[in-house]
Amino acid sequence: DQQVKQNSPSLSVQEGRISILNCDYTNSMFDYFLWYKKYPAEGPTFLISISSIKDKNEDGRFTVFLNKSAKHLSLHIVPSQPGDSAVYFCAASRAGGGADGLTFGKGTHLIIQP
Amino acid sequence: EAQVTQNPRYLITVTGKKLTVTCSQNMNHEYMSWYRQDPGLGLRQIYYSMNVEVTDKGDVPEGYKVSRKEKRNFPLILESPSPNQTSLYFCASSFHGRSNQPQHFGDGTRLSIL
Repeated sequence: DQQVKQNSPSLSVQEGRISILNCDYTNSMFDYFLWYKKYPAEGPTFLISISSIKDKNEDGRFTVFLNKSAKHLSLHIVPSQPGDSAVYFCAASRAGGGADGLTFGKGTHLIIQP
Repeated sequence: EAQVTQNPRYLITVTGKKLTVTCSQNMNHEYMSWYRQDPGLGLRQIYYSMNVEVTDKGDVPEGYKVSRKEKRNFPLILESPSPNQTSLYFCASSFHGRSNQPQHFGDGTRLSIL
């Protein structure tokens, strides 16, 4: 029973265009959402996050949108650059402390084509 | 440099031979956690620790042990490894276990159990 779903295993985008990565969740107790980026042979690195009290958070080229009613979030990267090619994981944590950590999606492999 | 260090990075061993993967962080983080990453399954939490001498099971704890005798170290122990524990393992830490704390990951340990 997967609580965080990333339904696109891979996504190919041309350099300079917008990349949109999607994530759906089923657990209504989740109150904080994070995106991690992972290069081969490295650990995931934190990219951007959003609290459930917001619907948008922006950091430079990266914007995360949250639609609570649809239990859906998306990561927008504008403009996409070659260094953005990586696997992106969506993660969520529960309200009240989330001591049991993060629940991750399976990841989306983003490929930026020149 | 703030980091999470795992050792070894790669290990090939045989069924039943006890092994320990070490994890150390230099950020004075209270919260530490172990994940495993498998193809098509994303990252799944094995064990976590809210602070020294406080550990708890994650989603897939069977076959693993952990200890937290010091704040900086959180070793993962496989008492009797089996082939189904062949995986890529990540240690992570954060300042505390609250839901809004991004976790910092090590670079991973690839275990092959023959």
